[in-house]
Amino acid sequence: AQSVTQLDSQVPVFEEAPVELRCNYSSSVSVYLFWYVQYPNQGLQLLLKYLSGSTLVKGINGFEAEFNKSQTSFHLRKPSVHISDTAEYFCAVSEVADYKLSFGAGTTVTVRA
Amino acid sequence: GAVVSQHPSRVICKSGTSVKIECRSLDFQATTMFWYRQFPKQSLMLMATSNEGSKATYEQGVEKDKFLINHASLTLSTLTVTSAHPEDSSFYICSASPPSGMNEQFFGPGTRLTVL
Repeated sequence: AQSVTQLDSQVPVFEEAPVELRCNYSSSVSVYLFWYVQYPNQGLQLLLKYLSGSTLVKGINGFEAEFNKSQTSFHLRKPSVHISDTAEYFCAVSEVADYKLSFGAGTTVTVRA
Repeated sequence: GAVVSQHPSRVICKSGTSVKIECRSLDFQATTMFWYRQFPKQSLMLMATSNEGSKATYEQGVEKDKFLINHASLTLSTLTVTSAHPEDSSFYICSASPPSGMNEQFFGPGTRLTVL
């Protein structure tokens, strides 16, 4: 079975500053990796995903993430955040042969002016 | 594309009543749908996986007689919370996977259930 650890529960950041959200996973088999964003009282929206190929993945809203197999990490970055990026961010993993997603505990990003 | 809807978005019910939540994939056929539960300030917990035309597979600790799941068609799954109690109050989110979805799930907007 796979598991996901999001190392930061809360990340406060000033507007236009960069942000990095850390995610580590464990699995004995090949995995797919995802980052989702959740705004208050809403469902989840996919930011980006890693299935195979290039380890640097670009997503929506200026986010990108890098898959590092040796460190079993999939950290999310944005070079310059906006107030509208204030939300909850979830890292998720699924084994290639299984549709089930395992989610991390989430990281709350609060962007201040 | 890949839109998933849920109905209702919010529901308040009395203790002991049953509540049905619908999850629909609007522009694709979903062979597999998932039901999650999310407590405040917490992550999503998978409750069950449903495949069209077959019985749902429940996660450990989830009462299948309490949370009835029906996946009657390739675009509709329902979750019925039977004999609801205040501890069932939560945010319920469904997701759907298309047949060639590479494990990707598309999420509904969620249903806020409050049991009085």
